[in-house]
Amino acid sequence: QVHLVQSGAEVKKPGATVKVSCKTSGYTFKGFFLHWLRQAPGQGPEWMGWINPETGDTNFAQKFQARVSMTADMSLTTGYMELTGLTSDDTALYYCAKDRVRLAAVGPSFTTGSSFDSWGQGTLVIVSS
Amino acid sequence: EIVLTQSPGTLSLSPGERATLSCRASQSLSFPYLAWYQQKPGQAPRLLIYGASSRPTGIPDRFTGSGSGTDFTLTIGRLEPEDFAVYYCQQYGGSPLTFGGGTRVEIK
Repeated sequence: QVHLVQSGAEVKKPGATVKVSCKTSGYTFKGFFLHWLRQAPGQGPEWMGWINPETGDTNFAQKFQARVSMTADMSLTTGYMELTGLTSDDTALYYCAKDRVRLAAVGPSFTTGSSFDSWGQGTLVIVSS
Repeated sequence: EIVLTQSPGTLSLSPGERATLSCRASQSLSFPYLAWYQQKPGQAPRLLIYGASSRPTGIPDRFTGSGSGTDFTLTIGRLEPEDFAVYYCQQYGGSPLTFGGGTRVEIK
């Protein structure tokens, strides 16, 4: 059974950096993109980007390009998302999610990602002075 | 960026009724790269439909997806009490991946 368990809630001051972890189990970690999304209160989800855990390749939404980094530790089957320069607009629930498509089944042209078939429980990040 | 517009914003129905939710894309998806999710309060979204019409294992067959190009539909055949929730569509035909604004299905 696939599980994604995220780190706990964070309260940060404006300008700070937050790092969220996502411990995975129940599937081949290196075989699927790991995505990060966020959801502000009362809003729909917003995709931030993905990481290929095996190669370390990433693809970020342009909106976050300058401020986000994503890493993966294959030995721990854990992904990490770091967001810098926090503002109050970054207050949201942050999710990691597993891509549905197995990377071995698609070619190198598969760079967009697809749908998300397993999600973490979410990590609340509050940015407040 | 592909913008997804969902309608209606809220659907008020009774258990046992049929629900029809719409998702329109700002540009045509050349392949049916559209997914639907259900989200209940305090929970992460759950994948219901991918590829516009395919159901993951474990999703009841009362959930049906259809459509192509720019117009997609999620139909819930007969609403069960646990189906009252918010539903989002998501496209993966282009980057960035984007979601619609959601349709709330509430008990009438």
